[in-house]
Amino acid sequence: TQLLEQSPQFLSIQEGENLTVYCNSSSVFSSLQWYRQEPGEGPVLLVTVVTGGEVKKLKRLTFQFGDARKDSSLHITAAQPGDTGLYLCAWGSSNTGKLIFGQGTTLQVKP
Amino acid sequence: NAGVTQTPKFQVLKTGQSMTLQCAQDMNHNSMYWYRQDPGMGLRLIYYSASEGTTDKGEVPNGYNVSRLNKREFSLRLESAAPSQTSVYFCASSPRMDTQYFGPGTRLTVL
Repeated sequence: TQLLEQSPQFLSIQEGENLTVYCNSSSVFSSLQWYRQEPGEGPVLLVTVVTGGEVKKLKRLTFQFGDARKDSSLHITAAQPGDTGLYLCAWGSSNTGKLIFGQGTTLQVKP
Repeated sequence: NAGVTQTPKFQVLKTGQSMTLQCAQDMNHNSMYWYRQDPGMGLRLIYYSASEGTTDKGEVPNGYNVSRLNKREFSLRLESAAPSQTSVYFCASSPRMDTQYFGPGTRLTVL
């Protein structure tokens, strides 16, 4: 069973639309990371959220960590074709540095 | 800085053949990791090395061996390749327990 469940798995939208991607778990996390992976490349870290209820913004991307630190969301406002890619949430073990990834959300933004 | 580099970018093997995937980082990071990525499965950790001279198994180590040659280099070896090892392999490095930097990946097909 996946420690981190991401939804939806696939999302295809038109340019200019808004969207939200979710990352859920039954476990409590000390922190959570979001990565974006473009086709043919490795994942790139977007943000790390640490505090329950925390909200971080990265241009048109808004990341939120749930109050109970069991879930997180990524909201994109006015999506652009350049936002196309695979979005992954991940939890890191503070003891070992190992990352556990969700299965990812594939986003396609059509012009 | 080149960051994390991986060679080769593509490889096709026949069942039973062996090969070594190479990874190097020039960021002076202590920790290095090998992942495989399969459709709908996110990234799964194969092996990791918390520091030079140490290696530990991850989630899916069977069929693989690793060598942390020095602080810069971490190689992944398939002794007898199987079709189930067809995947995209990513190497990553980390300066601390949360942020990881990924290479561009090696696309491996085992026939």
